[in-house]
Amino acid sequence: DTGVSQDPRHKITKRGQNVTFRCDPISEHNRLYWYRQTLGQGPEFLTYFQNEAQLEKSRLLSDRFSAERPKGSFSTLEIQRTEQGDSAMYLCASSLAGFTDTQYFGPGTRLTVL
Amino acid sequence: TQLLEQSPQFLSIQEGENLTVYCNSSSVFSSLQWYRQEPGEGPVLLVTVVTGGEVKKLKRLTFQFGDARKDSSLHITAAQPGDTGLYLCAGDSGGSNYKLTFGKGTLLTVNP
Repeated sequence: DTGVSQDPRHKITKRGQNVTFRCDPISEHNRLYWYRQTLGQGPEFLTYFQNEAQLEKSRLLSDRFSAERPKGSFSTLEIQRTEQGDSAMYLCASSLAGFTDTQYFGPGTRLTVL
Repeated sequence: TQLLEQSPQFLSIQEGENLTVYCNSSSVFSSLQWYRQEPGEGPVLLVTVVTGGEVKKLKRLTFQFGDARKDSSLHITAAQPGDTGLYLCAGDSGGSNYKLTFGKGTLLTVNP
């Protein structure tokens, strides 16, 4: 049983650089979510896909952020011109549309912007 | 904006003690999940509660969803060092909006 996987697990970058993260959901799950978690806080919603369609974006997702799920399977989250405030854990979750729509999380990508 | 307040924020107890953590909101949720998170890892699902008044047990953990579906509690009996972690509650408001609203979590430390 393979859960949600994320790559890389850790990323250190310099301010102004672009970074891209990948998420592979549980294979039969049609919904995919991105969250961001900073120290001492719970995860905060960034965006959500149903199949390949991006259906909602948080106001936290500035125009430097873009997410894709081109074939309704894996997803990528790109941050352009990174800032120190982008340092956080980026979490991906997936779910199967149904009564409770329970979300299962991946291990996260820890981003540090120097 | 829906908010989930968790209390206490920090809890340090000795092995064998019992504890309860709380998750409260002024909003109604269609379902509520409890997760446990260890440092540097993603949240791991413990339970989903859906029905007001519902009680679910998972070994030494007992979860309760309030009658009005605005609050929840997690009770741990005879805590063990392996229970150490950040306990997060997360609510789903239902409808076409599937995002989870998380509390800040309760950081539990169980000392041997």
